[in-house]
Amino acid sequence: DIQMTQSPSSLSASVGDRVTITCRASQGISNYLAWYQQKPGKVPKLLIYAASTLQSGVPSRFSGSRSGTDFTLTISSLQPEDVATYYCQKYNSAPFTFGQGTRLEIK
Amino acid sequence: EVQLLESGGGLVQPGGSLRLSCAASGFTFNNYAMTWVRQAPGKGLDWVSSISATGGSTYNADSVKGRFTISRDNSNNSLYLQMNSLRAEDTAVYYCAKAGSGDVAARSNYWGQGTLVTVSS
Repeated sequence: DIQMTQSPSSLSASVGDRVTITCRASQGISNYLAWYQQKPGKVPKLLIYAASTLQSGVPSRFSGSRSGTDFTLTISSLQPEDVATYYCQKYNSAPFTFGQGTRLEIK
Repeated sequence: EVQLLESGGGLVQPGGSLRLSCAASGFTFNNYAMTWVRQAPGKGLDWVSSISATGGSTYNADSVKGRFTISRDNSNNSLYLQMNSLRAEDTAVYYCAKAGSGDVAARSNYWGQGTLVTVSS
C-alpha cells in the first residue's frame, strides 16, 4: 500500500506568517490528493482537491501544489481562525489513506 | 443544502455488533460515492470503507476487512455500516462523507457530524 507521510506533525507560527505543510506519497498518485482542515471539536472540511484546486468558499490564502510525489499546502498569511489540524488524503485508489495530521497553532 | 445525519452509535461490548446509518439529503444521492471515516479519541482521521454510487463497488481498510460491511439504499437515500466482531480499537467517532463524484476515487466534499462508537466491557 502507498504510505502518506505528512510533516511537520505540529507547527507554531505568528499571525501573518507564510505556513507550509508537506505530504509525501511513497509512490505516484498523480494529482489525487486532497487537503482537509479540522478545527478543534469540529468536523473535517475539504480545502483543496486534485492537489491544487481550491474548494468553493475556501479563502484564497490557502493553496496547494505538487512536485512529483511531494504535495504542499500553503497558507500565505496565517490568520487566527486557521488554528486547526490539517490532513492530506490520497484518493487515486483504495486504501484512501490519510496523512498523520499537522497541528497548527498561533505563536 | 447537503445534509448527512449519522445514527446508530453507542456503547457495545467487545465482540458485539452495531449498524450505523447515514441519512442523506440535499443532493441526488444515487449519483455519488460515499465513505465512512473514523477518528479515535485524540487521534487522526482513519479511512474505513467506501462504496460507489450504484453500490456495485465497495472497498474496506485492512483493519476492518471481514468484520465491517458498507452498503447503501439509493431508494431511501441512506448509507450503512454493519460492524461485527467489534474491538476496543474500533472506538471512535464515525463520520459519513459524500464523495465529489460517483466514483470512489474522489475527495470527500461534505461530512456529517459523526456518531460515537464505544467498544468496552
